[in-house]
Formats: sequence, C-alpha cells, structure tokens
Amino acid sequence: DSGVTQTPKHLITATGQRVTLRCSPRSGDLSVYWYQQSLDQGLQFLIQYYNGEERAKGNILERFSAQQFPDLHSELNLSSLELGDSALYFCASSVAPGNTGELFFGEGSRLTVL
Amino acid sequence: QQQVKQSPQSLIVQKGGISIINCAYENTAFDYFPWYQQFPGKGPALLIAIRPDVSEKKEGRFTISFNKSAKQFSLHIMDSQPGDSATYFCAASDGSWGKFQFGAGTQVVVTP
Repeated sequence: DSGVTQTPKHLITATGQRVTLRCSPRSGDLSVYWYQQSLDQGLQFLIQYYNGEERAKGNILERFSAQQFPDLHSELNLSSLELGDSALYFCASSVAPGNTGELFFGEGSRLTVL
Repeated sequence: QQQVKQSPQSLIVQKGGISIINCAYENTAFDYFPWYQQFPGKGPALLIAIRPDVSEKKEGRFTISFNKSAKQFSLHIMDSQPGDSATYFCAASDGSWGKFQFGAGTQVVVTP
C-alpha cells in the first residue's frame, strides 16, 4: 500500500460528459502529480501541484483541469469527454518539491468513455 | 516528444534467465534515473534508482547499469522469476518542476 488513495477505481461514462477524479496523497507529501496511462502511450505527465499551487504542466488538454486543496487532496476534472480519453489516470505524491525523490502512486482510476 | 526512450516493448524470458531492458535519454540535465515496476491493476512502484555519479547499482537480483557518456541506462533482472512478470518503466528527472519523464514501458513475462 503506497498510502496514496484514488477514487473512484472505475468509472464508465458517455461522450460529452464531465467527471472528477480524486486523489489523497501520502501523509506529509506536499507534491501531487497526475499521469494518464493508455495502452500505446505509457505514462504521460499531465500536471503537478505543490502545496496548493500549480507547478508544472505536461500534456494536459484544455478540457482537463486540476486543483489541489488546502488539505492537500487533489482533483482532476475531465470535461467534454471523448472516446480517446478512456485511460487509466494515476495520481502520485512525493515529499520533495522537485522531482528527484521517489514518487508514490495510487492504484489509479480507470475511465471508460462510451 | 518522448524524452526517455525505452526498449524492448515486451520480452519473454524463461525462469532463471536474465531480463535486460534499455533506456536512452537526451537531456544531459537529468540526474536521477529510477525504475518502476507495475503489476496489473496496481500503480507503479519504485524498484531501484541510480544517480550519474555511479556506473552500477545492485539491489538483490536487480541491477542498474548507467553509461553517462552514451546517455543510456539499463535494468538487468538476474535469475528471473515468474513473480517478476510485470511492466517496467524507466524514468529520468532533473529535479525541476514537472521534469519526471517516463519511458513507454516494457512488459516482461517470465515463463515457468
């Protein structure tokens, strides 16, 4: 158990809909990362937050947004969903603000868009 | 653009054999090179990591070899076991925000 909690584990929705994925980082970790994992793309970095502030953006679509709340949990919002958004979305957390330490991953939220 | 290129995409090895996965990078600012192991239905978990001041790091049956001049590093799994069947990701970081790049992953299957 990594200590990172993600909900929901599975989500099935229709095109055009909006969903929210939730992540609770490990106790004490201030940095949260979101990754998208699809079969042919590996782990794609989406966005990173540190102590409530956005610190880096990767290949995140404009239809996607995220935030980190004062209690350090984070939410990833996916809107106007398309079939191609079907993927496994991982949240990870770390102690360090930079990226030279270990990332602890949750078990992921599997999104299926029909 | 894939900043860390990983190969092969998949490999099958017999129990007791050696699994070798290779990664290459371009960004010379990378200074932390971890390998993550992912079992089906689980998130990736850190397996072993190396920094460029050493050329090799060994932890049990897992060894990272690092070639700074060639900008390549590899994971060797010695005496492979069926329980090692998983997807392995290499990664690289330069310590700056968001710069934690993963390779595409290698699915390893160890046959009994």
